[in-house]
Amino acid sequence: GQNIDQPTEMTATEGAIVQINCTYQTSGFNGLFWYQQHAGEAPTFLSYNVLDGLEEKGRFSSFLSRSKGYSYLLLKELQMKDSASYLCAVRGELTGGGNKLTFGTGTQLKVEL
Amino acid sequence: ETGVTQTPRHLVMGMTNKKSLKCEQHLGHNAMYWYKQSAKKPLELMFVYNFKEQTENNSVPSRFSPECPNSSHLFLHLHTLQPEDSALYLCASSQAGRTSGANVLTFGAGSRLTVL
Repeated sequence: GQNIDQPTEMTATEGAIVQINCTYQTSGFNGLFWYQQHAGEAPTFLSYNVLDGLEEKGRFSSFLSRSKGYSYLLLKELQMKDSASYLCAVRGELTGGGNKLTFGTGTQLKVEL
Repeated sequence: ETGVTQTPRHLVMGMTNKKSLKCEQHLGHNAMYWYKQSAKKPLELMFVYNFKEQTENNSVPSRFSPECPNSSHLFLHLHTLQPEDSALYLCASSQAGRTSGANVLTFGAGSRLTVL
């Protein structure tokens, strides 16, 4: 089966750093994705990890440990516009159905002054 | 704009109505997806189409009927829905057949469905 866990809500202060964790148990592993979703808008792609280690992209970084089934998204220099839901998703076994992602419930991040 | 457009953005329907959701992508992708997003639940994959052929039906009730006339368009026909079907329905697209690299899914903004 597929199971992805992430915290439901987090609150952080503008200018600070926040880490959103994601743990997963899936049938096979072919990559982990982070998406950002503002209320009423499309989820938008933030990062992709398939090998262990840290991927950095501006203020956002994502880390993966395949042996631990663990990832985190690190957001630095938080801005008010970073208030959104952050979705962790795993691409499991590759089947004839192709590029299927299994999502967590999302972490609602609130950035305060 | 993500390059994936969904219409209508909001839909209210009775349980006996028939309606359709439409999705169009301008990204040159050849795989399209329907996901259901309910409050406090993970996105649930409903259907996958690769090169217009349905390759995944995730045990979706027959009151939801997808149609993919070409690689750029995807429909979800709705009939005799239940109030618990009220949710945000998200369409996404990606390249088909690629098993390496990110092959990112690009989502539309969704159609918010309310069933009375």
